[in-house]
Amino acid sequence: DVKVTQSSRYLVKRTGEKVFLECVQDMDHENMFWYRQDPGLGLRLIYFSYDVKMKEKGDIPEGYSVSREKKERFSLILESASTNQTSMYLCASSPPGEAYGYTFGSGTRLTVV
Amino acid sequence: AQSVTQLGSHVSVSEGALVLLRCNYSSSVPPYLFWYVQYPNQGLQLLLKYTTGATLVKGINGFEAEFKKSETSFHLTKPSAHMSDAAEYFCAVSDRSNQGGKLIFGQGTELSVKP
Repeated sequence: DVKVTQSSRYLVKRTGEKVFLECVQDMDHENMFWYRQDPGLGLRLIYFSYDVKMKEKGDIPEGYSVSREKKERFSLILESASTNQTSMYLCASSPPGEAYGYTFGSGTRLTVV
Repeated sequence: AQSVTQLGSHVSVSEGALVLLRCNYSSSVPPYLFWYVQYPNQGLQLLLKYTTGATLVKGINGFEAEFKKSETSFHLTKPSAHMSDAAEYFCAVSDRSNQGGKLIFGQGTELSVKP
């Protein structure tokens, strides 16, 4: 069964910490995406990548960075975690092109205290 | 630019009743449309998609959706709701401005099913 795996389901971090959220896919997909999901706000795109070592800003990149050193892995980095970054983070991947849609990971619920 | 509007953030139905979740889109080019379901504390799972061909699309768990170009709609239906259908549902359209496959999501509709 094809999968997108997020390294943690639940994470609690302190304000100011550097936080790494890892996402690995085993489908050889070119495209990978990071979203955050908050009640009433739906899914908001943080960063995405269409190829190794390539990244593009989404709608809300402030306070985040990403790394894609290998095709299967896309990491989201919170440089200095703040309480307003408490959220559900969802990783997704897809083949290139518009007709496929995404495969999502199970999500990481991050709490910053 | 493409956009998606889901009418109703919360929908409640009785078990056995028809489920209708509404989605309207805006697109200047023929759209690719998707419905996803999210169960509590989980990621999103693809229910069905429309790309080309038949406008009535069947998906998993008995759901279907009809692409109506004249109404710019892609409503999701299920003839008879089951308790296990309680979840959040997201409609999405493919952003065809850059051909990369990025999806634009609606705000989501939470479906409750009453016994």
